[in-house]
Amino acid sequence: QVQLQESGPGLVKPSQTLFLTCTVSGGSINIVYYWSWIRQHPGKGLEWIGYIYYSGATYYNPSLKSRVTISVDTSENQFSLELNSVTAADTAVYYCARASPGYFDYWGQGTLVTVSS
Amino acid sequence: EIVLTQSPGTLSLSPGDRATLSCRASQSVSNSFLAWYQQKPGQAPRLLIYGASIRATGIPDRFSGSGSGTDFTLTISRLEPEDFAVYYCQQYGSSPRTFGQGTKVEIK
Repeated sequence: QVQLQESGPGLVKPSQTLFLTCTVSGGSINIVYYWSWIRQHPGKGLEWIGYIYYSGATYYNPSLKSRVTISVDTSENQFSLELNSVTAADTAVYYCARASPGYFDYWGQGTLVTVSS
Repeated sequence: EIVLTQSPGTLSLSPGDRATLSCRASQSVSNSFLAWYQQKPGQAPRLLIYGASIRATGIPDRFSGSGSGTDFTLTISRLEPEDFAVYYCQQYGSSPRTFGQGTKVEIK
């Protein structure tokens, strides 16, 4: 059973960079799936941020593309999200998920990131 | 970008009732690449349906999906107490992947 777990700071200051890692267990990240980040603003719907193929190819939501980098570390079975120049509007629960390839079949539990000084 | 509009916003029903949730796309979803998710408070979404009508592993057969083009439906044939939750549709026929705003199924 594949499991995903997000980790990273729960509080980030405005204008700084948000950095989260997703650790995949129960299966290799180095296979034919897309490893994804999705966020949910408090009390709101879901927003796809982007994903990375195991080969390293990336696909980003145009609304965030200028600020986002997703990377993969196959040796650690992890992938990561960097979102720079954050503002209060980036406060959300961030989920990592496996895309198969376009729908999301396994999800992490989510981690709340608050942007505040 | 494909905009997905779900209706109604809230559905008030009783256990045993039939629930019909709608998801309408602003343009045709190619290959019926549409998925449905269930989300309970404090939990991650759970995949219910993909390819518009294919139940994900372990999903009870009271959940069914239908539709094509721009109009899709999720039906819960008989609501169980654990089915009261928020439901989202999501299209993966084009990029960016987009979600509907959700339909809350609440106990009447």
